[in-house]
Amino acid sequence: AQSVAQPEDQVNVAEGNPLTVKCTYSVSGNPYLFWYVQYPNRGLQFLLKYITGDNLVKGSYGFEAEFNKSQTSFHLKKPSALVSDSALYFCAVRDRSGNTPLVFGKGTRLSVIA
Amino acid sequence: EAEVAQSPRYKITEKSQAVAFWCDPISGHATLYWYRQILGQGPELLVQFQDESVVDDSQLPKDRFSAERLKGVDSTLKIQPAELGDSAMYLCASSNDSPLNTEAFFGQGTRLTVV
Repeated sequence: AQSVAQPEDQVNVAEGNPLTVKCTYSVSGNPYLFWYVQYPNRGLQFLLKYITGDNLVKGSYGFEAEFNKSQTSFHLKKPSALVSDSALYFCAVRDRSGNTPLVFGKGTRLSVIA
Repeated sequence: EAEVAQSPRYKITEKSQAVAFWCDPISGHATLYWYRQILGQGPELLVQFQDESVVDDSQLPKDRFSAERLKGVDSTLKIQPAELGDSAMYLCASSNDSPLNTEAFFGQGTRLTVV
């Protein structure tokens, strides 16, 4: 069975500082990995994905994430946080074998303080 | 830009009443998902369709929930009777599942409040 752990319920960071939102995963085979962002009363918005190739993937709005197979992690990063980045962030995993659904973590609330 | 359409955006219903949600996926997306998101938690899969066929409904409470995608395009999720614990955001998503495009795209969701 697939699972995702987001160990931090809340991350606070000052505007202009780098941010990291942590994610670890468990999957029986090789994973597809994703990050989504959610603003209040809205659906989930796709940020970036790891499929294959370079372990550092770049996505929307300056976000990037690093796939680390040995640590089964896929942490989300941004070099300089903006107040507008404040939102709920979800990591998700999908097994490559078969037509399996995305399994989500419980989410991490990011608060960027001016 | 193509989007997943959901309606209604908000629904308030009394317990024991029936309620239905509609979803129109991105054109050409064969896979459609219904997720439920309780406030403060991550989305949890209710049902997954591949075209008109159910792939996974293991977490769907079948005594009160039903889902259909009769022509393999749009989909309806129904709850009958609604219970207080069903209050949540119901999210529809779709994907085309090509090897390099395996992400799901979400609609704006339906916020259900059962009173």
